Amino acid sequence: DIQMTQSPSSLSASVGDRVTITCRASQGIFNYLVWYQQKPGKAPKLLIYAASTLQSGVPSRFSGSGSGTDFTLTISSLQPEDVATYYCQKYNNAPTFGQGTKVEIK
Amino acid sequence: EVQLLESGGGLVRPGGSLRLSCATSGFTFSTHGMSWVRQAPGKGLEWVSGISGSGYTTYYADSVKGRFTISRDNSKSTLSLEMSSLRAEDTAIYYCARESVYDKSIFDYWGQGTLVTVSS
Repeated sequence: DIQMTQSPSSLSASVGDRVTITCRASQGIFNYLVWYQQKPGKAPKLLIYAASTLQSGVPSRFSGSGSGTDFTLTISSLQPEDVATYYCQKYNNAPTFGQGTKVEIK
Repeated sequence: EVQLLESGGGLVRPGGSLRLSCATSGFTFSTHGMSWVRQAPGKGLEWVSGISGSGYTTYYADSVKGRFTISRDNSKSTLSLEMSSLRAEDTAIYYCARESVYDKSIFDYWGQGTLVTVSS
């Protein structure tokens, strides 16, 4: 089974900072990767699919890149409303999530 | 507006059974695959089961295979999950999620979740 590993598990950054989260697949998954944002007490929200395509309505400060085994989610300028846990997920064959990255404001 | 509303969660003893439902509206239900995704308290997300738009094809995580059954009623736009032989490790919030038309297993809309607690 393909495993998805995110790093870091948590981070603290200042408003306006550039934030990068990494997701690594144990085997190549082409670009079959999505990113979700989950705010406390809420359901996950789709941010990015096909590794780099922004879901409709998602702010442009969010971007995704990568293919094969290494992927990144970048928030270009962190906002207070971005406090959340972010999950990557592969969607070829059995969907598998990363363990999550908790983003907080410093 | 797409809406997904889960129900049926609650407290159940180990070995017991429970049926979850997800009522949907705001989209053509039969044209989308649907899935259940769960989240244990304070933990990450785990895909549980999925079903094609027609209902003919179903998928299960190894952790629930043989114990859970997913189904759908396209005439009522509802999704169900029949859970049996429940274990403590099945305790979680269960979300119903719509699969995107872009590709299977991209979950573009989620319900608010229903909590299942397995405890004696």
